[in-house]
Amino acid sequence: DGGITQSPKYLFRKEGQNVTLSCEQNLNHDAMYWYRQDPGQGLRLIYYSQIVNDFQKGDIAEGYSVSREKKESFPLTVTSAQKNPTAFYLCASKRLAASTDTQYFGPGTRLTVL
Amino acid sequence: KNEVEQSPQNLTAQEGEFITINCSYSVGISALHWLQQHPGGGIVSLFMLSSGKKKHGRLIATINIQEKHSSLHITASHPRDSAVYICAVTPSGTYKYIFGTGTRLKVLA
Repeated sequence: DGGITQSPKYLFRKEGQNVTLSCEQNLNHDAMYWYRQDPGQGLRLIYYSQIVNDFQKGDIAEGYSVSREKKESFPLTVTSAQKNPTAFYLCASKRLAASTDTQYFGPGTRLTVL
Repeated sequence: KNEVEQSPQNLTAQEGEFITINCSYSVGISALHWLQQHPGGGIVSLFMLSSGKKKHGRLIATINIQEKHSSLHITASHPRDSAVYICAVTPSGTYKYIFGTGTRLKVLA
């Protein structure tokens, strides 16, 4: 089955620790995205990548880092510099054949900082 | 002011009712998307619109490009339709989405 997987589903972190969220897709999509979702707010773009070894900051990149060493994988690291990291994180991917192509979303990771 | 506005924010309906969720946007777009988010958090795409109207089962989506407005209709609503419905737009010349804040729908049996 083709799709996007994110792990883990729930993640707990102590304040001051870095943590890496996994995102893997087997849809052969070129573009991958990381979003953050907070209660009462729309999804906000953290980082995106349209090609291997290249990525761009989104609207709220401060305190986050990413890598894109393989087409299938786009891990997100939440660093200790992120002031309010508790949130629901969603990964997505899409083809780049047309800007109108649909994004496919993973199941999400809920991060809680204790 | 958000670039994508949805109304209402919350909606409770009785089973069988006709439901309308509205989305207005303020930027030029190449497409508008309606998404459904279930309580577990996963998001699925319902429709992608660049003009006109689309129908899938009991769901109908319309868009008016001139008025920068879209509606999602659910006919004969059912408790399994309970979810958050999210409007997102792809601004012209980009591959990104701008999201509305979502409409939380609860359909009572």
